[in-house]
Amino acid sequence: DTGVSQDPRHKITKRGQNVTFRCDPISEHNRLYWYRQTLGQGPEFLTYFQNEAQLEKSRLLSDRFSAERPKGSFSTLEIQRTEQGDSAMYLCASSFSRGQPQHFGDGTRLSIL
Amino acid sequence: GNSVTQMEGPVTLSEEAFLTINCTYTATGYPSLFWYVQYPGEGLQLLLKATKADDKGSNKGFEATYRKETTSFHLEKGSVQVSDSAVYFCALSDSYNNNDMRFGAGTRLTVKP
Repeated sequence: DTGVSQDPRHKITKRGQNVTFRCDPISEHNRLYWYRQTLGQGPEFLTYFQNEAQLEKSRLLSDRFSAERPKGSFSTLEIQRTEQGDSAMYLCASSFSRGQPQHFGDGTRLSIL
Repeated sequence: GNSVTQMEGPVTLSEEAFLTINCTYTATGYPSLFWYVQYPGEGLQLLLKATKADDKGSNKGFEATYRKETTSFHLEKGSVQVSDSAVYFCALSDSYNNNDMRFGAGTRLTVKP
């Protein structure tokens, strides 16, 4: 078990471009979560999956954001037409079930020029 | 709604000093409580947890006791080390809340030799 892995670790892009991040959860974990973390703040919930089903989306997740988990394993988070305010650390976490501890990846740091 | 309030940082201590980081919560149900630690450039790591009132979570010399009467889960360590320098997040998970995890804003701890 190698833990939760995220790719890339860093992404620098120009405003208006699209970006896609990948998360590979711990293999036996059914739940997968995406969070956004800005400097000096705790993680803010974006969305989560139970297997391949996306069960909840935060109001923070605007129409420019989309997440998928097509086979119930890895997940992708896409941001279209990036804006300056999208600059943040995007964290992925997985857990075995509801209420169980979440295990986090090291995150993808997005910088918008 | 559910929320977590943490003691504001930063906290600076000398090696071997006693550490307390306060955390209080608001929850509609009977949450599980967690402390996570984040080292520079890394994701969050679970430090300890408690799932019901009066439970004490402990790990690596850190302890926290779930106090339902004061809705608190304060983190303590008797003798901190330089290697404990990190950001600490208090979090709760409520079975009534589908997205599970609410985090505090984090408390940055710096331990000086």
